[in-house]
Amino acid sequence: AQKITQTQPGMFVQEKEAVTLDCTYDTSDQSYGLFWYKQPSSGEMIFLIYQGSYDEQNATEGRYSLNFQKARKSANLVISASQLGDSAMYFCALSGSARQLTFGSGTQLTVLP
Amino acid sequence: DAGVIQSPRHEVTEMGQEVTLRCKPISGHNSLFWYRQTMMRGLELLIYFNNNVPIDDSGMPEDRFSAKMPNASFSTLKIQPSEPRDSAVYFCASSFSGGGASGETQYFGPGTRLLVL
Repeated sequence: AQKITQTQPGMFVQEKEAVTLDCTYDTSDQSYGLFWYKQPSSGEMIFLIYQGSYDEQNATEGRYSLNFQKARKSANLVISASQLGDSAMYFCALSGSARQLTFGSGTQLTVLP
Repeated sequence: DAGVIQSPRHEVTEMGQEVTLRCKPISGHNSLFWYRQTMMRGLELLIYFNNNVPIDDSGMPEDRFSAKMPNASFSTLKIQPSEPRDSAVYFCASSFSGGGASGETQYFGPGTRLLVL
């Protein structure tokens, strides 16, 4: 069975500062992938970043980076230089031998001006 | 390029009516997923198709739900009869399955907001 845990229901960050959203996972698969999605208030699910379990380097995509610590089974999302438009719900998700994604409960991020 | 297309975007219906949700995946993608999002249960997979064949439908709540994928560019999710507890946002997502299951990014459609009165 696969499980994703996001322990921060809500987070606040000041505009232009960095913020880390936590994600831990559990899987028995040797090969797996970790994803982060953003869901703004408009409701769509936007893919942000992907990390493969065998990737040695942490993934980065613009202002997003994934702090992957395999031994600790964590895949935290770091957003640098927060912008007001970053206010949204953020979901961590896991895929493995079964192709479907298992989602966490999400973290509601609010960026303060 | 067009993303995943879903219709309708909003649906309000009365209990007992049939509801059909539609999805057009990204061209070239060969896997299609239907998810449901509710406040109580979060995002959960209902069913997924690979090369138009249903692979895992263990998330389909009950016999009232059915899904089809008659070709690579179209899928439907049908609820008959609908009930108030089916009210949710239904997402369709697609990906390209090249063999490496763990690295296949799923791209989501805008979702269908369903309200069953």
